[in-house]
Amino acid sequence: QKEVEQDPGPLSVPEGAIVSLNCTYSNSAFQYFMWYRQYSRKGPELLMYTYSSGNKEDGRFTAQVDKSSKYISLFIRDSQPSDSATYLCAMTTGANSKLTFGKGITLSVRP
Amino acid sequence: ETGVTQSPTHLIKTRGQQVTLRCSSQSGHNTVSWYQQALGQGPQFIFQYYREEENGRGNFPPRFSGLQFPNYSSELNVNALELDDSALYLCASSLGASGGVGETQYFGPGTRLLVL
Repeated sequence: QKEVEQDPGPLSVPEGAIVSLNCTYSNSAFQYFMWYRQYSRKGPELLMYTYSSGNKEDGRFTAQVDKSSKYISLFIRDSQPSDSATYLCAMTTGANSKLTFGKGITLSVRP
Repeated sequence: ETGVTQSPTHLIKTRGQQVTLRCSSQSGHNTVSWYQQALGQGPQFIFQYYREEENGRGNFPPRFSGLQFPNYSSELNVNALELDDSALYLCASSLGASGGVGETQYFGPGTRLLVL
């Protein structure tokens, strides 16, 4: 079993849709949770950073962490074609900053 | 403030050769981490350097080695290249090495290595 599992893709939605991206993990020591966005042939770009359980909102993006269920989510409201990219969940224990990533899911938003 | 830069952008090598990849950290960052991203996969942690000392290593063989310099730039060296080493190599810099609040890792654009 991988430490971090991410819902398989690809995912295609119409412009304006609400998108839900999810990851589960097995290591209960993880306490810092991130979502990165990666455009084709580019490095990952940090979207959201959350510590421990709870919600965090930034514009059209909301990150949720449920440590009791070992489950994290990223919601994108009013999705735009410019949101088309690969989304990676990542997490770390805080003992060091080694990031453990999910496999990534490719999102396509159709105009 | 400059971001993380990497060189070269692309590289083609043959099996058995050696390669050196370079990374310049974001201004003020003292920690650099290297990741390998195979096609269709998430990045895998190779190792991390904090103030010029190795500070953690992932499940990669010793032919993957690194250096961090006093100006916090870094190199990744791979000896005896294998076909499976073909991947995007990413470096990420951060202000510290604990991964906590304020120590977010910022990634460079990567070096795409193809081993033939």
